[in-house]
Amino acid sequence: DAKTTQPPSMDCAEGRAANLPCNHSTISGNEYVYWYRQIHSQGPQYIIHGLKNNETNEMASLIITEDRKSSTLILPHATLRDTAVYYCIALTPMEYGNKLVFGAGTILRVKS
Amino acid sequence: NAGVTQTPKFRVLKTGQSMTLLCAQDMNHEYMYWYRQDPGMGLRLIHYSVGEGTTAKGEVPDGYNVSRLKKQNFLLGLESAAPSQTSVYFCASSQRVYDSRLYGYTFGSGTRLTVV
Repeated sequence: DAKTTQPPSMDCAEGRAANLPCNHSTISGNEYVYWYRQIHSQGPQYIIHGLKNNETNEMASLIITEDRKSSTLILPHATLRDTAVYYCIALTPMEYGNKLVFGAGTILRVKS
Repeated sequence: NAGVTQTPKFRVLKTGQSMTLLCAQDMNHEYMYWYRQDPGMGLRLIHYSVGEGTTAKGEVPDGYNVSRLKKQNFLLGLESAAPSQTSVYFCASSQRVYDSRLYGYTFGSGTRLTVV
């Protein structure tokens, strides 16, 4: 699975959009990009995932560049409760034994 | 629907003691995982299981053993605890799927273990 690179931390004003970047320059054609987040002391929570096309759900949007070497997670209207560590993971779904491998992630601080 | 339940939530052990962490899921998931998380670091996979009666090693398996005797339970054992095993332990489960729907990963709330 491809290595991903994220900035260690970011700040965002409450109510503004939070844009979290992720580089995955060695991603292969069948690897998906997944985003999870971990709010302090809790277990990680799934946010969104995508392969080629941009994706949107009730939590966030995922923008993947055309060459798929990078992506951006967008929280459209960040709230204080979105303060968390955000993990970007590149992974190929397999029939047996998929294992999420977490990096250090990005600490997002939403400030009032 | 409880999801993934971990017990205990907190534990303090003395060096050399043994203990078992229990993970239970009620979602009929095939796959289960044990991760550990040290301060300021991401989660690291200890062991995982792709079905009842099967287990496999992850990134950091040394010092731990696991068992999956029932589909809904995944046990993590420490035979002789060491201070280096002080960590927060997370259990997770996921469906057996053949496409991208790995959002099925559901995590428990963690067990905070201190070895003194």
